[in-house]
Amino acid sequence: GESVGLHLPTLSVQEGDNSIINCAYSNSASDYFIWYKQESGKGPQFIIDIRSNMDKRQGQRVTVLLNKTVKHLSLQIAATQPGDSAVYFCAEGGSFQKLVFGTGTRLLVSP
Amino acid sequence: GAVVSQHPSRVICKSGTSVKIECRSLDFQATTMFWYRQFPKKSLMLMATSNEGSKATYEQGVEKDKFLINHASLTLSTLTVTSAHPEDSSFYICSARDFRDTSLGETQYFGPGTRLLVL
Repeated sequence: GESVGLHLPTLSVQEGDNSIINCAYSNSASDYFIWYKQESGKGPQFIIDIRSNMDKRQGQRVTVLLNKTVKHLSLQIAATQPGDSAVYFCAEGGSFQKLVFGTGTRLLVSP
Repeated sequence: GAVVSQHPSRVICKSGTSVKIECRSLDFQATTMFWYRQFPKKSLMLMATSNEGSKATYEQGVEKDKFLINHASLTLSTLTVTSAHPEDSSFYICSARDFRDTSLGETQYFGPGTRLLVL
């Protein structure tokens, strides 16, 4: 069945470091992928997305890489800040606009 | 960016009562809204897709008679948890998609969530 998972449940970094959060997906038919950031007690916040026909997309301090050969997605955050501490979810866009969420990675940024 | 609100943000109710949660798109119209449920330290699980003017589409395993969804307008969807029990305690989150949005990624904008505690 469809599934989206993450390799690391918790990632601890120092302020200023670059962070890389990984995600594996299983549905090769997915058309798009989205990264969300969720702070405690709040709803997910859109970070960046990428279509399946792209390999890379850049935003402000963030880059998403898509490797369809190995069904792998990553989120790179440059110069990580304490405010980046949160749980990050990858989501896979399938049919009927539905999203399938991964299990999440907690990012802890130490000052 | 698009803003989605939910009301209430927190609710405590007695077992057997019904609770209504509202989801509103504040600055855009949403023909489609989604309802998710999230347990502590877990991921979001889609419960149902709410379509304006038609019946909701429920995911497998979600009881449609227990979780009533109404999407009466392009800016409002409601989720009613009927005859709530302690196991219904959870974080309920809605999302909406701007029907004009033809941009990359089919972006869904999420509400802040509603914490439900059933005693």
